[in-house]
Amino acid sequence: QVQLVQSGSELKKPGASVKVSCKASGYTFTSYAMNWVRQAPGQGLEWMGWINTNTGNPTYAQGFTGRFVFSLDTSVSTAYLQISSLKAEDTAVYYCARVVYSSSSGWFDPWGQGTLVTVSS
Amino acid sequence: QSVLTQPPSASGTPGQRVTISCSGSSSNIGSNTVNWYQQLPGTAPKLLIYSNNQRPSGVPDRFSGSKSGTSASLAISGLQSEDEADYYCAAWDDSLNGLVFGTGTKVTVL
Repeated sequence: QVQLVQSGSELKKPGASVKVSCKASGYTFTSYAMNWVRQAPGQGLEWMGWINTNTGNPTYAQGFTGRFVFSLDTSVSTAYLQISSLKAEDTAVYYCARVVYSSSSGWFDPWGQGTLVTVSS
Repeated sequence: QSVLTQPPSASGTPGQRVTISCSGSSSNIGSNTVNWYQQLPGTAPKLLIYSNNQRPSGVPDRFSGSKSGTSASLAISGLQSEDEADYYCAAWDDSLNGLVFGTGTKVTVL
């Protein structure tokens, strides 16, 4: 079955970096773009952007430029989110989600289980 | 900040019908399709409705979606205890050139 499995929780100090992985299985990885979504504690969902799994070209949403980097390793069907210069406000659960397109419409299905990144000194 | 507005909460007794609204603008809901996601407590979001009113395989038919103008709605008929969750609408925004989520609605089964 189609599945996205993310790496485990991370506890980092302010100023450090973190790399979250999202391993896809059950489908051709390069046939579907991958998106990233952030959810701060007790808050709603926030779209971070997406990466073209064919070309590796990333697109970042407003507010997620500079410290956030999307990357791929297509040999292992895995997408990555790296966040540098971590701040306390980066504490959140980060989700990857495959986007499915049909007739000019797109939707996220499935989602990864989420990775909690906690930034604390 | 979210540009799609949802009521923060909705509730009903088992068997009742609950409706959640999602209000947007001409650049998002008015121009593009709406999807709905269900997030059960402590879990990842799950696709509930796509392309305004389509149910993925496995989603009970008590869930339905609709869209009119710059607003969309999710209806849950025959409310069940397992429907207690947060619900989010989402649509592409042509002005922002990005995806926007709704503010989210917490559904409580009384």
